[in-house]
Amino acid sequence: QQQVKQSPQSLIVQKGGISIINCAYENTAFDYFPWYQQFPGKGPALLIAIRPDVSEKKEGRFTISFNKSAKQFSLHIMDSQPGDSATYFCAASYSNSGYALNFGKGTSLLVTP
Amino acid sequence: DTGVSQDPRHKITKRGQNVTFRCDPISEHNRLYWYRQTLGQGPEFLTYFQNEAQLEKSRLLSDRFSAERPKGSFSTLEIQRTEQGDSAMYLCASSFGQGFNEQYFGPGTRLTVT
Repeated sequence: QQQVKQSPQSLIVQKGGISIINCAYENTAFDYFPWYQQFPGKGPALLIAIRPDVSEKKEGRFTISFNKSAKQFSLHIMDSQPGDSATYFCAASYSNSGYALNFGKGTSLLVTP
Repeated sequence: DTGVSQDPRHKITKRGQNVTFRCDPISEHNRLYWYRQTLGQGPEFLTYFQNEAQLEKSRLLSDRFSAERPKGSFSTLEIQRTEQGDSAMYLCASSFGQGFNEQYFGPGTRLTVT
């Protein structure tokens, strides 16, 4: 049972554009929501993470928006660059599980020159 | 390189054979996680250790799977009597502390069962 649902499955954005990836969850016990970036042949790497007590977090070109009532969160990549082309995973976890990560299925992002 | 390392990077085995993977976490990281990732999917949690204690196991971890972390340092994941459905990337991650600290992932071990 997928605890975190992610969309779209794939995304093509022109250089300089905004990439938006959305995720939804059901388990209200989740209290940590990270986004991971994965390149082919590599393990996932943390991009940015948020707790549910804030509605937005920004780090450089990456922003997480969080809507606790709707149980949704999203990743916005501003000024997308070809080097951002990768697979992005949202995830959710909570303390009673030792913060084991529940991942979405991933979004394959292609940024065209 | 002081990141998480995994060995081997690739393993091809015949159905029914046993395989063992090793993960070396970042030094002094007390938590260690194992995940499995199949093509086109997100990683799925298998199990985690806090120091040497295995504290949680996913229902995905059948009786053919066993994991250990002796002395709270490196960890091994063994799969007995491998099946074709075990073909996947096995990822290890480690983190430090008690709260929601960043999990650092290794490069993974790609298992192919023929």
